[in-house]
Amino acid sequence: GAVVSQHPSWVICKSGTSVKIECRSLDFQATTMFWYRQFPKQSLMLMATSNEGSKATYEQGVEKDKFLINHASLTLSTLTVTSAHPEDSSFYICSARESTEASEKLFFGSGTQLSVL
Amino acid sequence: RKEVEQDPGPFNVPEGATVAFNCTYSNSASQSFFWYRQDCRKEPKLLMSVYSSGNEDGRFTAQLNRASQYISLLIRDSKLSDSATYLCVVNRGFKTIFGAGTRLFVKA
Repeated sequence: GAVVSQHPSWVICKSGTSVKIECRSLDFQATTMFWYRQFPKQSLMLMATSNEGSKATYEQGVEKDKFLINHASLTLSTLTVTSAHPEDSSFYICSARESTEASEKLFFGSGTQLSVL
Repeated sequence: RKEVEQDPGPFNVPEGATVAFNCTYSNSASQSFFWYRQDCRKEPKLLMSVYSSGNEDGRFTAQLNRASQYISLLIRDSKLSDSATYLCVVNRGFKTIFGAGTRLFVKA
């Protein structure tokens, strides 16, 4: 089946630094990828939709200048958390949609646990 | 009101029990429906798609009622390894909307 690779799996950083998370679709092309955030015991919250070759679409309440998304190719999207603060500590997951004639499925990266000290 | 609502849980059941999860969605333009399973601190994994005709995969049965905008998941003969959070997921256009998830604990 389709595979989405997310890197790194976990990050510990100091407050004020920027952190980049990569999401790659390994065996299919994804014109659209999605970035989510999940706090403990809560559901996935969509942050933004990343579109190859164009600007990302952010959900209400998500600061686009803080969470920079770049989708430069059909297999790679990156999320950069700029000037991270402790409240940004969370589990970040990406997903990519694989569309075929028969079906449309969503595959997830393994997630990145971000801890900001 | 959330666009996709699920039973809050948690469900605590003994091994071998049958357990049912419910989910409702509010937007009639929703097009496709899924159940995902998520283990703690892991990514969600597709459990099964949900069709109007109902579909079964081993011990798991999913049903969709478009008129009532209702989705269900039935797990028969629960195993310890079924303990997880089950997410009801709805696609509407290019958007994928997740329910808050229902936690299941299966105990020996």
